[in-house]
Amino acid sequence: AQTVTQSQPEMSVQEAETVTLSCTYDTSESNYYLFWYKQPPSRQMILVIRQEAYKQQNATENRFSVNFQKAAKSFSLKISDSQLGDTAMYFCAFMYSGGSNYKLTFGKGTLLTVNP
Amino acid sequence: DVKVTQSSRYLVKRTGEKVFLECVQDMDHENMFWYRQDPGLGLRLIYFSYDVKMKEKGDIPEGYSVSREKKERFSLILESASTNQTSMYLCASSHIGGLAGYQETQYFGPGTRLLVL
Repeated sequence: AQTVTQSQPEMSVQEAETVTLSCTYDTSESNYYLFWYKQPPSRQMILVIRQEAYKQQNATENRFSVNFQKAAKSFSLKISDSQLGDTAMYFCAFMYSGGSNYKLTFGKGTLLTVNP
Repeated sequence: DVKVTQSSRYLVKRTGEKVFLECVQDMDHENMFWYRQDPGLGLRLIYFSYDVKMKEKGDIPEGYSVSREKKERFSLILESASTNQTSMYLCASSHIGGLAGYQETQYFGPGTRLLVL
């Protein structure tokens, strides 16, 4: 079974600075997807970024980028130029890409606070 | 834009009551999911459905059942609510795309915060 570990329950960063959230996972599969989801306080969970395991190039989405290290099974999220609106719970998630197993396995989350 | 809606944002029920949580998606997605979110535990999958009338157990199905009579609607049922089912419940949906039938991104609803007294 896959497991996803987020070792930082809480983090804080000053506005305009850069912060990195860590995520490691454990799987015996070779084809899978990794995701970072963001859940602002009392608001809907939204997708931040997605990475296909077969792609060597790290995914980027505006101020959000990942450092995907497949051999190390590491998938960290970097937020550049942090904004107050980035304050949220961030979840790392894993999904096997084959067959009919559509399950997302989530980490326990990292609460990020951006301070003015 | 994908829209996933849940029938209630907040619910208060008593122990032993039968509780229905409804989820509707408007993008003709094949897959629908029910998760439970608890502090320090992240999201855990209760049930999912990959087609009308089809369902699969997730990691924590005990005490729950589901119903999917129409493609756009997926219901979570607590047959006899208990206090340990007090939680945030999230619904999600996703499309199956491409020739290989891979699952695309899961989109989430706003959640239902359930309190069982």
